[in-house]
Amino acid sequence: DGGITQSPKYLFRKEGQNVTLSCEQNLNHDAMYWYRQDPGQGLRLIYYSQIVNDFQKGDIAEGYSVSREKKESFPLTVTSAQKNPTAFYLCASSTSQGGGPEAFFGQGTRLTVV
Amino acid sequence: AQSVTQPDIHITVSEGASLELRCNYSYGATPYLFWYVQSPGQGLQLLLKYFSGDTLVQGIKGFEAEFKRSQSSFNLRKPSVHWSDAAEYFCAVGDTSGTYKYIFGTGTRLKVLA
Repeated sequence: DGGITQSPKYLFRKEGQNVTLSCEQNLNHDAMYWYRQDPGQGLRLIYYSQIVNDFQKGDIAEGYSVSREKKESFPLTVTSAQKNPTAFYLCASSTSQGGGPEAFFGQGTRLTVV
Repeated sequence: AQSVTQPDIHITVSEGASLELRCNYSYGATPYLFWYVQSPGQGLQLLLKYFSGDTLVQGIKGFEAEFKRSQSSFNLRKPSVHWSDAAEYFCAVGDTSGTYKYIFGTGTRLKVLA
């Protein structure tokens, strides 16, 4: 089945550590995104990528980094510079087929700093 | 600046009652418009989308939405709510200039009374 797979579902990080969240899609979508979700704040865009080897900062990129070496993969690294990383992270991909873009989401990764 | 406003943070309805969730947007032109639903701890599922054409769009699970250009609104409706509709609902706009970016509202949490 086609879809977006995020792993792990739950992740615990000690303060000062970097952690990497995985996002893989087999939908053959060009664009991929990372969003952060906090209660009452909706989804905020961290980074997005429209093509391989290219990505742009979103609204809250500080303390995060990404890579896009393959079309299928868009990993997100939460660095020690991110002051408040505890949140729910959602990866998405989109296609422009069918007349307009439609984003598909993974099941999310809940990151907790301990 | 582009933005999406969902003025109702929480809504409670009785099972079988009708539902309307409000969404207003600020955008320079007519954007792509979406409604997503999220169950606790899960990713987002697309309910419906508007790209162009008929301003009343039908979606999954018996939902519909109406685009009103004059009011910059895209309200979600359902004639009879089921207990399984309890979830959080997000309105989103998609950029039409080719950047594939999306802007999400802060969400409306729906509670359904038996």
